[in-house]
Amino acid sequence: DIQLTQSPSFLSASVGDRVTITCRASQGISRHLAWYQQKPGRAPRLLIYAASTLQSGVPSRFSGSGSGTEFTLTISSLQPEDCATYYCQQLNRYPLFGPGTKVDIK
Amino acid sequence: QVQLQESGPGLLKPSQTLSLTCTVSGGSISSGDYFWSWIRQPPRKGLEWIGYIYYSGSTYYNSSLKSRLAISKDTSKNQFSLKLNSVTAADTAVYFCARVRGGTEDFDYWGQGILVTVSS
Repeated sequence: DIQLTQSPSFLSASVGDRVTITCRASQGISRHLAWYQQKPGRAPRLLIYAASTLQSGVPSRFSGSGSGTEFTLTISSLQPEDCATYYCQQLNRYPLFGPGTKVDIK
Repeated sequence: QVQLQESGPGLLKPSQTLSLTCTVSGGSISSGDYFWSWIRQPPRKGLEWIGYIYYSGSTYYNSSLKSRLAISKDTSKNQFSLKLNSVTAADTAVYFCARVRGGTEDFDYWGQGILVTVSS
């Protein structure tokens, strides 16, 4: 079975910083990867699909890249409202979520 | 705008059957463009896909839950449902329903979630 890891598991950054989260798959999954943002007490929100396509309505400071086994989610300029946990999800066969990365503001 | 809303009991005893319903508005579960899914999240933990159902009635389940799980749909009510039997404390979680886009297979619309607690 495919496994997903995310790094870091937690990060703290300042407003305006560029933030990068990495998701690694144990096997190649082409570009079958999505990213979600989840705030406490809320449902996850789809940010990126097909590794790099921005979901409608998502701010352009969010971007995704990668293919195969390594993927990144980048927030180009961190905003206070970006405090959340971010999950990657592989779509290669059955859905599987990564363990999550919690992003905090310094 | 598609909306999903979970409903069902919030408290169960061990060995009982968890039954939840997701009511969909703003879109039809009969559309061949989407799957309809359940996901859960134990307290302070990550997301776990449970399974989904297609408009045809075909179902796909997480292998770790398959022996206890059934997902069904009621097209006339635009609802789909989850039944998980023989629950234990490990099944305590927030349960979400969500729409899955065919092709990209990502979860683009989610319900708000419902907390189900299993406790004696």
